[in-house]
Amino acid sequence: NAGVTQTPKFQVLKTGQSMTLQCAQDMNHNSMYWYRQDPGMGLRLIYYSASEGTTDKGEVPNGYNVSRLNKREFSLRLESAAPSQTSVYFCASRPLRDRSYNSPLHFGNGTRLTVT
Amino acid sequence: GQQLNQSPQSMFIQEGEDVSMNCTSSSIFNTWLWYKQDPGEGPVLLIALYKAGELTSNGRLTAQFGITRKDSFLNISASIPSDVGIYFCAGRTSGTYKYIFGTGTRLKVLA
Repeated sequence: NAGVTQTPKFQVLKTGQSMTLQCAQDMNHNSMYWYRQDPGMGLRLIYYSASEGTTDKGEVPNGYNVSRLNKREFSLRLESAAPSQTSVYFCASRPLRDRSYNSPLHFGNGTRLTVT
Repeated sequence: GQQLNQSPQSMFIQEGEDVSMNCTSSSIFNTWLWYKQDPGEGPVLLIALYKAGELTSNGRLTAQFGITRKDSFLNISASIPSDVGIYFCAGRTSGTYKYIFGTGTRLKVLA
């Protein structure tokens, strides 16, 4: 099992360029998440998808869009990249157990994005 | 919005010492999670807590879900050099899929 796979691992963009970060999980999890990690600020939630077909905003959604393509894949798109979006982006997934919300997040290894 | 305060921000300790860190929330949480992150990798789950007062161990690590449901604690006993990394707490309130993360505790162990 690969778990949560993120591509690419590294990316450099110029201001105004667009790109899509890809995330796929092979654990049959229901919920998927995108976080960004900046020094001294921990992980902040950008968007999440509770289940296939639904997406919701997190703490810092501005400048991003997401697509839950199917149960396995959840992509994050930057339409017009800005230097403030330089960060490490983590995708995570989570199973649904017995209609309970009680299950932890499983993370990928991140995409390191630099916007110049 | 919800806030998670994690302390200390960083700590240097001698190998063999015990370590304690904690998180406090402005909201009541139904779940507390503790993660460790090594450089260049994603966070890895250490301990999950689902009930107020719960005390759970994973090897040398012990975590507790505070009885007020607004705090959680992580203890590491007899630290070793590979304990180096950043430790994050995360919490979730009732009826939501969203996990909020603390700002992390950076641990350095001196051999």
